[in-house]
Amino acid sequence: IAGITQAPTSQILAAGRRMTLRCTQDMRHNAMYWYRQDLGLGLRLIHYSNTAGTTGKGEVPDGYSVSRANTDDFPLTLASAVPSQTSVYFCASSDSALTEAFFGQGTRLTVV
Amino acid sequence: KQEVTQIPAALSVPEGENLVLNCSFTDSAIYNLQWFRQDPGKGLTSLLLIQSSQREQTSGRLNASLDKSSGRSTLYIAASQPGDSATYLCAVTLFSGGYNKLIFGAGTRLAVHP
Repeated sequence: IAGITQAPTSQILAAGRRMTLRCTQDMRHNAMYWYRQDLGLGLRLIHYSNTAGTTGKGEVPDGYSVSRANTDDFPLTLASAVPSQTSVYFCASSDSALTEAFFGQGTRLTVV
Repeated sequence: KQEVTQIPAALSVPEGENLVLNCSFTDSAIYNLQWFRQDPGKGLTSLLLIQSSQREQTSGRLNASLDKSSGRSTLYIAASQPGDSATYLCAVTLFSGGYNKLIFGAGTRLAVHP
């Protein structure tokens, strides 16, 4: 049982470069989310998708984009990375508002 | 605006103690409350989910209670072990702005020493 798989697990990226963080779930959950976790700021929602084909902005969407072409995949793209995007990124999914949310193992991104 | 607060921020206890972690939230219009565990450098692992209509949930040595009217939840850990050392996060789920939001507390960092 894989649950949620994120790739890569860590990455060092030069500022200005484009980067896509991958997220795949095998639970057929409708909703998927991207969070970033920063010391002192906790977990903050970047983007969400309630169902395949729809996406929306969370608390801190600037500089990020997402797509949801199918149920299983929810990639997060940094169009032009900046040092303030250095963080740990978590992908999550849930079947509905009434069920458990499951998280991936995270991607540690350093922008230099 | 929903705010979630966890007290204490850090806790260090000897092995074998029973302990209580606290979580409070400002808006009672929640779908559920979830407790997670996070080990250093790892992702979040779901421990317990309490629906808004429930009062408590139990899993092994863990018991979580929910008092929606007062905006409080507690996670009770019985007979703590060094393997329980981790950060514990609570999160409430609510519908706002067109989507289901998980709002997290800052966490309680627990250290259980032998």
